[in-house]
Amino acid sequence: DADVTQTPRNRITKTGKRIMLECSQTKGHDRMYWYRQDPGLGLRLIYYSFDVKDINKGEISDGYSVSRQAQAKFSLSLESAIPNQTALYFCATRGTRGPGGTGELFFGEGSRLTVL
Amino acid sequence: RKEVEQDPGPFNVPEGATVAFNCTYSNSASQSFFWYRQDCRKEPKLLMSVYSSGNEDGRFTAQLNRASQYISLLIRDSKLSDSATYLCVAYSSASKIIFGSGTRLSIRP
Repeated sequence: DADVTQTPRNRITKTGKRIMLECSQTKGHDRMYWYRQDPGLGLRLIYYSFDVKDINKGEISDGYSVSRQAQAKFSLSLESAIPNQTALYFCATRGTRGPGGTGELFFGEGSRLTVL
Repeated sequence: RKEVEQDPGPFNVPEGATVAFNCTYSNSASQSFFWYRQDCRKEPKLLMSVYSSGNEDGRFTAQLNRASQYISLLIRDSKLSDSATYLCVAYSSASKIIFGSGTRLSIRP
């Protein structure tokens, strides 16, 4: 099983719908991140969390919200999806000790979202 | 100007060739640097860390030049399996982790 699991892996929805992408991890890491990837733009940070209840905006947080109710879970919501939120979304974790303390980000397999 | 810039490529080279990529960063406060590899439609995975003293892992060598604010990745004796997108990453803090847009590499038989 993957250490970082994202659901759903693929989703097609319509403009105005509320969408939630879920991420769970078994690595025991404190730090979790949500990124979106668009062709030619690389990965851009949406939100990040360093602990339960800790929420911080990234560079492109508008139109998104997150929830970190448990150390292992970090969910991303699109309250009212719009077509330019069509992208590949990645959840990532990063530890502060052990092998993860080197700074390595561990990514989920991605959630491909299409907003029509 | 992007904080981390890479040549998007694609670099199309024959198997066995040596290929090098550069990546420039604009934030002099950046502390740590990494190369990640991303296969098509897959998640990025850490390839190697980058140090001022250089870092070699088999056929891969990474180098950091703080004075000129660039990092490099050299791949020797390239294999078909090296075909991927290579992402340059700069960490300024635990939250400020900036990815380049990636350099696409294609190895031909």
